[in-house]
Parts: sequence; C-alpha cells; structure tokens
Amino acid sequence: QQQVKQSPQSLIVQKGGISIINCAYENTAFDYFPWYQQFPGKGPALLIAIRPDVSEKKEGRFTISFNKSAKQFSLHIMDSQPGDSATYFCAASIYGNQFYFGTGTSLTVIP
Amino acid sequence: DAEITQSPRHKITETGRQVTLACHQTWNHNNMFWYRQDLGHGLRLIHYSYGVHDTNKGEVSDGYSVSRSNTEDLPLTLESAASSQTSVYFCASRDTGQATDTQYFGPGTRLTVL
Repeated sequence: QQQVKQSPQSLIVQKGGISIINCAYENTAFDYFPWYQQFPGKGPALLIAIRPDVSEKKEGRFTISFNKSAKQFSLHIMDSQPGDSATYFCAASIYGNQFYFGTGTSLTVIP
Repeated sequence: DAEITQSPRHKITETGRQVTLACHQTWNHNNMFWYRQDLGHGLRLIHYSYGVHDTNKGEVSDGYSVSRSNTEDLPLTLESAASSQTSVYFCASRDTGQATDTQYFGPGTRLTVL
C-alpha cells in the first residue's frame, strides 16, 4: 500500500511556466514532508521541506503548499527552466525516521 | 568535504550468489538507510540503522540484511540474489536537528541479477 500518492507521473511544461506536482497521504502522524530532486544517474537531493505547522514554504522559485485538513501537499516551481528537468519525489516521515516516498514525477521543461 | 559513497556503482551477478553493496559516509551521522528504486514504485526502504549495532527492517527487507559495526559504514547483503532484486540501490544518511531532517543520498549502485 502506497503511503504517499504522487501525481502526475510525468509533466511537460514550457520554459517560464509553472510546474505543479501533488502528493497525498493518509497517516496523520507524519510530521515532515520533504521534496527531493533527482537527475539521471544521481542520487536524490533534498530540494525543500515543510512541517505541518505551516501552510506554505518558499525557497527561491520553489514553493511547498501544505493542506493539513485535506492531507495533501504540493510543489510549485515558478518560472520553470530547462535545468529543472528532473524527477521529483515527495516524501513523508514520522520524527524523521522511516521515510515513505511517492512514485516520482518526471518533469520536462521545454525551451 | 564530507560525503557518502557507494561501491560498486554497477554490478552484474547471477541468481543465487551472495552480493554485498558498500555504503560509507564521512558525516558521522548516526542514522543510515538503504533504499531500492524501481520504476513505478519510487524509493522503498529496505533497512535502516540508528547507530552502531542497531538495525531495523524496512518495508521491503525480505532477502536483504545489514550490519552496523561502526558509524561510517552500512553494508547491504543480498543473501541469495534473485532476479526480482535487479534494481538501483541508494544508501542515505540523515542529518538530524530541529530545523532539518535532511537525508543525504549516495550516487547509487545499479545491480543486475541474471
């Protein structure tokens, strides 16, 4: 059973557009929600993370929106660039222990 | 600079053989993790460790084992490799603290079981 459900599986966006990736979870005990970015042949790298006591976190062009009541969170990439083309994973954990990952979204930004 | 390394980066083995994948980190992190990555499944946790001599099973631990004799290393052993274990394996270590629970991932090992 997938603890964290991620959509869409793939996404194509024009340069300068907004990329939006969504995740949903069921376990209300999750207290840490990171997003990871992975380039081909590399390990995932932390992009941005949020805790459930805030509804939004922004770092540069990347924003996490968090809806605790709906048990959903999303990643928004503003002004998407070709260099953002990568696979993105959402995740959730309890006290930073076992991490449960979404199935990933392959983002392609077209110049 | 501190880092996390994995070896080998690529491995081809035969069904039934024992295989060990190495993971070494120089951050002195207590928490270390092993994941496998498969298309359509994302990353799934195999085993994890919170410190020396501590090991715990993750959601897909059958057929795998780990041991933790020091802080820096967490080798992953496939006791009798099966074709279903063909995958990309990632090791990670975790930086803990109030502001961050960052996991740092290694570059991965691509394992093929024939």
